[in-house]
Amino acid sequence: QLQLQESGPRLVKPSETLSLTCTVSGGSIGSSRYYWGWIRQPPGKGLEWIGSIYYTGSTYYNPSLKSRVAMSVDTSKNQFSLRLTSVTAADTAIYYCARSGPPMEEQYFDPWGQGTLVTVSS
Amino acid sequence: EIVMTQSPATLSVSPGERATLSCRASQNVRNNLAWYQQKPGQAPRLLIYGASARATGIPARFSGSGSGTEFTLTISSLQSEDFALYYCQQYITWPPMYTFGQGTKLEIK
Repeated sequence: QLQLQESGPRLVKPSETLSLTCTVSGGSIGSSRYYWGWIRQPPGKGLEWIGSIYYTGSTYYNPSLKSRVAMSVDTSKNQFSLRLTSVTAADTAIYYCARSGPPMEEQYFDPWGQGTLVTVSS
Repeated sequence: EIVMTQSPATLSVSPGERATLSCRASQNVRNNLAWYQQKPGQAPRLLIYGASARATGIPARFSGSGSGTEFTLTISSLQSEDFALYYCQQYITWPPMYTFGQGTKLEIK
């Protein structure tokens, strides 16, 4: 059974960089040919897609965050990562990683990691 | 950007009754629509994809319908565990710009 687990600092200072890693178990990022994504949810609010990455390293980002986002993949560790620069309090959210579909197929998200709350505060 | 609008924001229904949740897309997304359920403190869980296909392990009381810009999630006979938040998501755009609705809270009447 495929499982995803987010990890990284829970507290980040304003203007600094948020870094999270998603570790995948029960399946291989490199051989599964799926996209892998990050989605966030501010406390008490809705869901926002941040970006998606393919095992080759090809990335797509939400245009509203594109100037501050970078995603990477490490197939040897079966992990993919998120970096969000110049964070503000508005970036405080639960950050989820999730798998979506193969290229040219349906891009719904399933499964999801349990999520990790990242707070931006000095 | 395709805007997804869900209605109502809150729906109060009694256990055993039917619940109907709506999702409207600002542009034609054909059948590229998913529904998710989220319970407090949990990650969203996929219920429906392709507008009407149930995900693995999802009970038959959950059904999705619609195409284009109007979609519906129906829960035929509400169980206590169904009271939760529900989100729709479109995934037609390429390159990707996936968007979610703002959610409908299904509460016990």
